Amino acid sequence: QVQLQQSGPGLVKPSQTLSLTCAISGDSVSSNSAAWNWIRQSPSRGLEWLGRTYYRSKWYNDYAVSVKSRITINPDTSKNQFSLQLNSVTPEDTAVYYCALEIVVGYFDLWGRGTLVTVSS
Amino acid sequence: AIWMTQSPSLLSASTGDRVTISCRMSQGISSYLAWYQQKPGKAPELLIYAASTLQSGVPSRFSGSGSGTDFTLTISCLQSEDFATYYCQQYYSFPWTFGQGTKVEIK
Repeated sequence: QVQLQQSGPGLVKPSQTLSLTCAISGDSVSSNSAAWNWIRQSPSRGLEWLGRTYYRSKWYNDYAVSVKSRITINPDTSKNQFSLQLNSVTPEDTAVYYCALEIVVGYFDLWGRGTLVTVSS
Repeated sequence: AIWMTQSPSLLSASTGDRVTISCRMSQGISSYLAWYQQKPGKAPELLIYAASTLQSGVPSRFSGSGSGTDFTLTISCLQSEDFATYYCQQYYSFPWTFGQGTKVEIK
């Protein structure tokens, strides 16, 4: 049974970098049949897909246009986890951030518990 | 990007009621639609994919229908544990996008 365990700070200052990690158990970040996603939710923006990383003989990333210039999602095969970095954050980036597993392309079979990240000085 | 309109935004119902939630797409998506249930303070959970296929473990009182631009989630006999917010999500075209949600509350 796959489980996703999120970790990271709940408070980030404006202009700094938001960093979260999602540890995977029961599957491999290098799986050839899975993709590992970050999604956020806020009252103003609703549910917003941010990006994903996946391995198909080599590593690929896809990012939402809205955050493409600021986002990096990286796999860490040694720890079987993946991470989210969002640079130059503003209060608009305040949201609950979820990691999520995508087995069949496009929908999310399993979600992490979520991390509320507040951007404030 | 493909956008969707869910209706209603808020639905007041009683236990035992049959409820229907609509999701209308800005363009056709064949059957590439999923539905999620979210309870307060929890992550969304997958209910239905491919517009009408129930995720393993989801009660049979949930059903989905539709294709193209119009989709429906139906709960045939509302139970107390079904009071929650429901979201549709398209995966026909990148980027994946979500509806704004329908909150099902106790009448």
